Amino acid sequence: NAGVTQTPKFQVLKTGQSMTLQCAQDMNHNSMYWYRQDPGMGLRLIYYSASEGTTDKGEVPNGYNVSRLNKREFSLRLESAAPSQTSVYFCASSEGLGVKVDTQYFGPGTRLTVL
Amino acid sequence: GESVGLHLPTLSVQEGDNSIINCAYSNSASDYFIWYKQESGKGPQFIIDIRSNMDKRQGQRVTVLLNKTVKHLSLQIAATQPGDSAVYFCAEVPNTGNQFYFGTGTSLTVIP
Repeated sequence: NAGVTQTPKFQVLKTGQSMTLQCAQDMNHNSMYWYRQDPGMGLRLIYYSASEGTTDKGEVPNGYNVSRLNKREFSLRLESAAPSQTSVYFCASSEGLGVKVDTQYFGPGTRLTVL
Repeated sequence: GESVGLHLPTLSVQEGDNSIINCAYSNSASDYFIWYKQESGKGPQFIIDIRSNMDKRQGQRVTVLLNKTVKHLSLQIAATQPGDSAVYFCAEVPNTGNQFYFGTGTSLTVIP
């Protein structure tokens, strides 16, 4: 099992450009998440999908959109990138759906720089 | 949002010594806690978890202690090895939802 995979690993954008970060998991998990990680700050939740067909905003959703394409895939889109979105983005998945002990498993991250 | 903090941002230990990493949380309703390890350039990796109905849980070379009275969590690593050098995060999960709240992390450096 590959676990959680993310593409691309690195990306440089100019202000105003758009891009989509891809995430896939092969653990048959119901829930998936997108976080950003900035220096000196903990992981902050952007969006999550508790189950296939649903998405919800997290702590910092502005400037982002998501799509839960199917049970395996959850993408994050930046429609008009801004320098403030320079960060490391992590996708995670968990069994979800009311499981009492629900651990999240993370991908390797995408390092995004917006110039 | 939740407040999850770490007492020390950096920690250096000699190889072979025991390490203790601390974490404070603010929500008394949190009933699930997790420790993650993040090596440079990689995603967080699950280490060990504990439910609020427990005070202690042991894994391989790691022990997590939970003190609900003072809302404090600690991770103990026995016989610390160079491969343990990483940033360690605690996370809390309130029983009101499925969102995780992460601390900023403690950077552990193991001195050979």
